[in-house]
Amino acid sequence: GENVEQHPSTLSVQEGDSAVIKCTYSDSASNYFPWYKQELGKRPQLIIDIRSNVGEKKDQRIAVTLNKTAKHFSLHITETQPEDSAVYFCAASIHDGYSSASKIIFGSGTRLSIRP
Amino acid sequence: EAQVTQNPRYLITVTGKKLTVTCSQNMNHEYMSWYRQDPGLGLRQIYYSMNVEVTDKGDVPEGYKVSRKEKRNFPLILESPSPNQTSLYFCASSLGLAGEVETQYFGPGTRLLVL
Repeated sequence: GENVEQHPSTLSVQEGDSAVIKCTYSDSASNYFPWYKQELGKRPQLIIDIRSNVGEKKDQRIAVTLNKTAKHFSLHITETQPEDSAVYFCAASIHDGYSSASKIIFGSGTRLSIRP
Repeated sequence: EAQVTQNPRYLITVTGKKLTVTCSQNMNHEYMSWYRQDPGLGLRQIYYSMNVEVTDKGDVPEGYKVSRKEKRNFPLILESPSPNQTSLYFCASSLGLAGEVETQYFGPGTRLLVL
């Protein structure tokens, strides 16, 4: 079936350095790729998303890149800060062939720790 | 305030005792979804709904039922809970025009323990 693989599962970086999280997806028809951040004990919240007609999107210190040919997309966080410590999830939309609706497949998550 | 609410937030029950977790959103969203979150497995979609009276199975629908009688509510029903359904459950909603998923807004989560 369709799946989304996410790496690494844990990542520790020095404050101020950059962090990169990578995901690959299996369904070539996927057209929506969101990234969610989940702080300890909290609900997931969208931090950035990208659609398949765009190769890169940036929002301040966060950027996402998409390579549709290779079916992978990445989250880049620059100048990391302590408040960036959280679990990050990538996801990809999968269009249901039997209806017009989309479902979402999430990666297994990356626990990012920022060392002071 | 725009929000997704879930109740209860915590629930301990026993095997076989039917339970319902409610989910409600006040944003007039068309798309609603249920996920379960387990360590190392991320978020897995249980069921989703693109509009009233329209529901579809996600990746892990076995043992669950849903209904969408009104746009704002999307309850999750466990007819006969089993210990392997012990998990953290999230409801989410999205504007969802034409069935497309956009930004999903998550509820606060329901932590379920089935003994």
